[in-house]
Amino acid sequence: GAGVSQSPSNKVTEKGKDVELRCDPISGHTALYWYRQSLGQGLEFLIYFQGNSAPDKSGLPSDRFSAERTGGSVSTLTIQRTQQEDSAVYLCASSHRSGRLNNEQFFGPGTRLTVL
Amino acid sequence: AQSVSQHNHHVILSEAASLELGCNYSYGGTVNLFWYVQYPGQHLQLLLKYFSGDPLVKGIKGFEAEFIKSKFSFNLRKPSVQWSDTAEYFCAGAYSGAGSYQLTFGKGTKLSVIP
Repeated sequence: GAGVSQSPSNKVTEKGKDVELRCDPISGHTALYWYRQSLGQGLEFLIYFQGNSAPDKSGLPSDRFSAERTGGSVSTLTIQRTQQEDSAVYLCASSHRSGRLNNEQFFGPGTRLTVL
Repeated sequence: AQSVSQHNHHVILSEAASLELGCNYSYGGTVNLFWYVQYPGQHLQLLLKYFSGDPLVKGIKGFEAEFIKSKFSFNLRKPSVQWSDTAEYFCAGAYSGAGSYQLTFGKGTKLSVIP
C-alpha cells in the first residue's frame, strides 16, 4: 500500500514568512509524529498525535511552531515568522498504535525547508 | 534524559569488508531499539528492531544487531558490505514510561563503501 507522503518536498521561504507542511499518514495508522532533521542536531522529536487525544507538543522548539491533525488523518505543521535556524528537513511518521513500545514508525520522504 | 549515542560520524570501508557500527543507549527502564537506514535521496527505512527475546536480531539485507544489556549497547553488524550499503545509519530507542512513543535518535553514522 501507499506509504507516508509529505508535501511539498522542498520549500524555500524568506525569513519572517509563515510556512505550512503537510503529512498524509498510512491509511489506518492512528498515531502520527513529526520530527526535524538538521545538521549537527540529528533527528529531533517535535510532536505526536494519537486519535482524538490531545497531542504531545513537548518537542516543539518554540511557540512559533504548531501542528494540527484533522479528522484523525492528515496533519499540518505550521511555522510562523520563520527564522534561518528553522532550516531543516521535517519528517513525518505514522504507526499503528501509540503508548506501546513496540510500535514501528514508518517515515515519509520529508520536506526540506530553507529559510533565506 | 534518555539518549542514544553513535560513536562514529563517518566510516569508510572497501567492498567485502566487515562492518560494525556502535550504538549506546542511556539507562531508562525498558527500551526498544531500532536501526534505521537512509540511502542517498531516499527516506528513512527500518533495518531491524529489538523488543525482547533473542538479543541477536536479524534484519534486511544481511544486517544484524546484538542487544547487550550489560553494556547498554546495540551495535549493528554486517559481515561483508557492498557498495549499495552506502548510506546513513541511525540508531534509535523508544523508552518505557511517559513519551514512550517518541523515538530518541543517535546523530547518525555515514557509511561510504568504496568499490
